[in-house]
Amino acid sequence: SQTIHQWPATLVQPVGSPLSLECTVEGTSNPNLYWYRQAAGRGLQLLFYSVGIGQISSEVPQNLSASRPQDRQFILSSKKLLLSDSGFYLCARRDRDNSPLHFGNGTRLTVT
Amino acid sequence: ILNVEQSPQSLHVQEGDSTNFTCSFPSSNFYALHWYRWETAKSPEALFVMTLNGDEKKKGRISATLNTKEGYSYLYIKGSQPEDSATYLCAFPPADSNYQLIWGAGTKLIIKP
Repeated sequence: SQTIHQWPATLVQPVGSPLSLECTVEGTSNPNLYWYRQAAGRGLQLLFYSVGIGQISSEVPQNLSASRPQDRQFILSSKKLLLSDSGFYLCARRDRDNSPLHFGNGTRLTVT
Repeated sequence: ILNVEQSPQSLHVQEGDSTNFTCSFPSSNFYALHWYRWETAKSPEALFVMTLNGDEKKKGRISATLNTKEGYSYLYIKGSQPEDSATYLCAFPPADSNYQLIWGAGTKLIIKP
């Protein structure tokens, strides 16, 4: 199974509050893991990717951060949410070269 | 700057008709080309990963072709059905990093019953 567990499905948070989104994956060990975001009316934006435990690459400078404390766990965090952080957050995995991305069901975040 | 372009941006097709759309990408240092289907309120679903020039892949009524020399791929849908309504995305990994994907903006397909 290459199942990706992502929660919560929806989240409403006030501006300035912290955020923690968790993604856990099953199946092959040492997958590449990704956090993507789709803002309203926009396409997919890569936020972070990780090729191993503790290894995080950031694609977009912002108030978000990511961590990979275990091989199959990827966490997206923020200390203080902005209105512009609203969007649809997707966790994804990729197991080897030329394999496709597999996405979780996503978290719809609304910052009010 | 590496870029991938998809056309058309949107497409309305009558149910039962066949259709196709295009993904254009840099032909130099080609590694792979991905196609995904993204239905509204769902997460993207992988359709194909293509690596060989001239390759053709098929999944049910959907097929794709690849021309790496000229830098394009076509996605075909035969006998469109309402459930085919979605945004179709293509993406490719840049030569210097197979961990990332550069995404097109997508073709939004709407099937009219």
